[in-house]
Amino acid sequence: KQEVTQIPAALSVPEGENLVLNCSFTDSAIYNLQWFRQDPGKGLTSLLLIQSSQREQTSGRLNASLDKSSGRSTLYIAASQPGDSATYLCAVIGNQGGKLIFGQGTELSVKP
Amino acid sequence: DAGVTQSPTHLIKTRGQHVTLRCSPISGHKSVSWYQQVLGQGPQFIFQYYEKEERGRGNFPDRFSARQFPNYSSELNVNALLLGDSALYLCASSLGGGRTPQHFGDGTRLSIL
Repeated sequence: KQEVTQIPAALSVPEGENLVLNCSFTDSAIYNLQWFRQDPGKGLTSLLLIQSSQREQTSGRLNASLDKSSGRSTLYIAASQPGDSATYLCAVIGNQGGKLIFGQGTELSVKP
Repeated sequence: DAGVTQSPTHLIKTRGQHVTLRCSPISGHKSVSWYQQVLGQGPQFIFQYYEKEERGRGNFPDRFSARQFPNYSSELNVNALLLGDSALYLCASSLGGGRTPQHFGDGTRLSIL
């Protein structure tokens, strides 16, 4: 059974700092991994999607990496801003497709 | 183009009642999935429908049911509501039923008193 874990559960950093969010999964037989952002009381916004054959994806100040063999992914945020404050969720989808399996999220707070 | 739309945005019910949540997918998307997100946790998969057929079901009791209509919109029904059903219910749509990227709506916040 696939399990996804995110560490830390919460993170507070000063504005301008570079930071890394971690995601681990127990079954390496994944089709892809996605990172989402969720603002309080809102739905999910997809940030980056990494196919299982890829090692990383970049979008602006965000960079996500994937190491399938070790069951790990990281989301790197450069030069953090207060507007980056949100909960960040990672999710995997297996080779059989269908459902996304989510971690519990990391709540990020960027202080001005 | 409009994104995934869900209605209502908020709902308050009492224990034992029934609720129906609605979802309209992105135009052209034929698959709809439902997720339950309890406060402080990641979303949990409930159902996936593709071309009006159930393609997957999560570990939820039979009080939860869903269907997809010919226009690809979907309803999630929950009977005999319990306090523990209080959550944000998220709908996601995708082009296909397999591994195509899922796009989420803003959810319905359900509170059970």
